[in-house]
Amino acid sequence: RKEVEQDPGPFNVPEGATVAFNCTYSNSASQSFFWYRQDCRKEPKLLMSVYSSGNEDGRFTAQLNRASQYISLLIRDSKLSDSATYLCVVNWAYSSASKIIFGSGTRLSIRP
Amino acid sequence: DTGVSQNPRHKITKRGQNVTFRCDPISEHNRLYWYRQTLGQGPEFLTYFQNEAQLEKSRLLSDRFSAERPKGSFSTLEIQRTEQGDSAMYLCASSLALGYSTNEKLFFGSGTQLSVL
Repeated sequence: RKEVEQDPGPFNVPEGATVAFNCTYSNSASQSFFWYRQDCRKEPKLLMSVYSSGNEDGRFTAQLNRASQYISLLIRDSKLSDSATYLCVVNWAYSSASKIIFGSGTRLSIRP
Repeated sequence: DTGVSQNPRHKITKRGQNVTFRCDPISEHNRLYWYRQTLGQGPEFLTYFQNEAQLEKSRLLSDRFSAERPKGSFSTLEIQRTEQGDSAMYLCASSLALGYSTNEKLFFGSGTQLSVL
């Protein structure tokens, strides 16, 4: 089983739609959670952290369910510029080290 | 430019040759990560350093791969006896993490695209 699993998509939705992605992780000791965005042929960039109580940043809402070990990202009123791959990221610490693991990404394409 | 810098941007090599990549992190960052990414996949963790100490190395990483960060600043990733399966984008990222904190933001370089013929 992969440490972080995502639906690869692609999700193809019209501009203005609401779209949601889910991600599951296998290590219950995971401590920090993030969503990164990666544009075609570019490096990943942090979109937002995910907190236990859920958090919102403009049109983006992230949720964490520790009991079920999944993370979600909701994008409201989607824009053409939201077209990208969204990477779910999990960080767990053990002893004196930590490990940051990326999911395989969910591709999103917004059409006019 | 004070971002993460990687060199070279592209590397084409013949199977069996050795290659070395360099990463210069953001200067005040104490952690440095190496990832490998192939088309349609997310970045795959290879190894990371906290200052000059290599704290974790992926079990998937063969002994042909070695990384160093001798003075806790720049890092090199060497692949010996390259194979066609090593063809990928090699990404470096750095972060500033306090103590054993896991709440760290990664800043990535543009990567080195390796093609093994």
